[in-house]
Amino acid sequence: GAGVSQSPSNKVTEKGKDVELRCDPISGHTALYWYRQSLGQGLEFLIYFQGNSAPDKSGLPSDRFSAERTGGSVSTLTIQRTQQEDSAVYLCASSPTNGELFFGEGSRLTVL
Amino acid sequence: AQSVSQHNHHVILSEAASLELGCNYSYGGTVNLFWYVQYPGQHLQLLLKYFSGDPLVKGIKGFEAEFIKSKFSFNLRKPSVQWSDTAEYFCAVLADNFNKFYFGSGTKLNVKP
Repeated sequence: GAGVSQSPSNKVTEKGKDVELRCDPISGHTALYWYRQSLGQGLEFLIYFQGNSAPDKSGLPSDRFSAERTGGSVSTLTIQRTQQEDSAVYLCASSPTNGELFFGEGSRLTVL
Repeated sequence: AQSVSQHNHHVILSEAASLELGCNYSYGGTVNLFWYVQYPGQHLQLLLKYFSGDPLVKGIKGFEAEFIKSKFSFNLRKPSVQWSDTAEYFCAVLADNFNKFYFGSGTKLNVKP
């Protein structure tokens, strides 16, 4: 389909391992967001990409978290040395300029 | 800093009851306003949106929301809820100066059959 695609849908990892989460936005959408949704919590903003501008990283919880967006399309969120508190659903969303957000299904991360 | 406040964290209603979920934001300029819904086990999807024009907007499944600029509010309403409306509802604001979405903390609605 033409929606936002995220992979993997589920990831179980051991504490201390690195993980990469991928987001393939809707073609032509200039904005891409990463959010985190923990059990019982709302949407926690992580990072925002808009076109060729420098990303807004103000929501990243620690320097173990990083993200990049290559060619203005696919984005990868990397979590290094995972901790148990990183367990959550990581949501990606894309948007045309000043338009609505379209969300992916999310990547559920479990850190044992 | 921008903020979006949803006053009700958890609402429990019986079927056919009326629903109003509050949403207030802090930004004095032009805003685009949204309500998103997340049904159990599903991804977030748009319920309705306001960009301009009639401040009373209608969305899917009988939901509506009213933008009251003077009150910085965008409350969600439905005259008669159904069990299938059980979900989590998020208010979001896109402020023109910031070009970034801000979400409220969400309201969990539980409709008892």
